[in-house]
Amino acid sequence: AQRVTQPEKLLSVFKGAPVELKCNYSYSGSPELFWYVQYSRQRLQLLLRHISRESIKGFTADLNKGETSFHLKKPFAQEEDSAMYYCALKGSSNTGKLIFGQGTTLQVKP
Amino acid sequence: NAGVTQTPKFRILKIGQSMTLQCAQDMNHNYMYWYRQDPGMGLKLIYYSVGAGITDKGEVPNGYNVSRSTTEDFPLRLELAAPSQTSVYFCASSYRAGVSEKLFFGSGTQLSVL
Repeated sequence: AQRVTQPEKLLSVFKGAPVELKCNYSYSGSPELFWYVQYSRQRLQLLLRHISRESIKGFTADLNKGETSFHLKKPFAQEEDSAMYYCALKGSSNTGKLIFGQGTTLQVKP
Repeated sequence: NAGVTQTPKFRILKIGQSMTLQCAQDMNHNYMYWYRQDPGMGLKLIYYSVGAGITDKGEVPNGYNVSRSTTEDFPLRLELAAPSQTSVYFCASSYRAGVSEKLFFGSGTQLSVL
């Protein structure tokens, strides 16, 4: 079964602290993984995708096939990073459907 | 470009009422999706469409219907509203289903069924 698990509902850190939002997936093939973010009163939007190997707003995520994980990391959290973060997996079909995790709310305190 | 437009933003329904959530995109995207977002549950796919005239069920289609008569519009119909359908509904679209193609989301419709 294809599944995405984000074990933390809420992650609260102080400004300047490192952040790691966990994401584990279950998928038998070669996964395509994404992180989407929803800031307060804004639309859900793409943050980054594993295939691009990019760093967006200081965030990075590395696909670890051995541990079936795609954790999102940032060395120094900023208050503007406070948001809901969703990890998503593109399923095996060619329909573009995404399977989302439960989401993690990141709260960065001043 | 307006992107993905959803209407209404908020709605309260009584049990048994019907309504249509509207979704339109002006990006000439072929693929469109309806998700519902429940607290602590993430987003669940209700229905999707890969082009005009083609729709298919997602993970949680019961109680909903869709149509795709044009590329631009993808309305979601609730026929007999139930409290379990209280949720935030998101429409999304993408140009294709290629590698790492991203989804564009609407601003959501918050629906309460009382």
